Amino acid sequence: SAVISQKPSRDICQRGTSLTIQCQVDSQVTMMFWYRQQPGQSLTLIATANQGSEATYESGFVIDKFPISRPNLTFSTLTVSNMSPEDSSIYLCSALPQHTEAFFGQGTRLTVV
Amino acid sequence: AQSVTQPDIHITVSEGASLELRCNYSYGATPYLFWYVQSPGQGLQLLLKYFSGDTLVQGIKGFEAEFKRSQSSFNLRKPSVHWSDAAEYFCALNTDKLIFGTGTRLQVFP
Repeated sequence: SAVISQKPSRDICQRGTSLTIQCQVDSQVTMMFWYRQQPGQSLTLIATANQGSEATYESGFVIDKFPISRPNLTFSTLTVSNMSPEDSSIYLCSALPQHTEAFFGQGTRLTVV
Repeated sequence: AQSVTQPDIHITVSEGASLELRCNYSYGATPYLFWYVQSPGQGLQLLLKYFSGDTLVQGIKGFEAEFKRSQSSFNLRKPSVHWSDAAEYFCALNTDKLIFGTGTRLQVFP
């Protein structure tokens, strides 16, 4: 199993600013991901955080808006840049060890005002 | 294309009634499938998973799911629903990333 610590747990931010969310896993994992869950919606994959290389973004998400770092096998960050109220969501970090289920952080509840 | 479909957006059942939540997937290889539950304001909790072997898998809280390759389905069942089961349920498919269905909101009446 894997335990994921994600912070901050919530934040209220001004539009036009940026927020960086941190995700720490208690063991080395190859695969880490970032999801967005908009109010009342399912989880949408933003990107795969690749260790040592650029993240792989899903359709509709771009690096300029959601830059991701993955400096090692236990840590990743997601930045939400130049925020607008439409970015208000829960952002979740996930780790997917091989041959087992995915583990999730508790999420970051972001409100942009 | 890889995808997960949950046809029922919202289901309402009476407490004590049986429950079946539908999930269909599209994937060319052997799927790894999961059901997660999310209570309001809470994180995701894994109910059960299917990797291989027995197609009927047992999970926590009295839930079970049956994998049917011929129907590309992985439906979740519970014989008797409790009021505390009211939540959002997500089916997910693991390829090289975890893809979620749109979710089914379960409401339970006393």
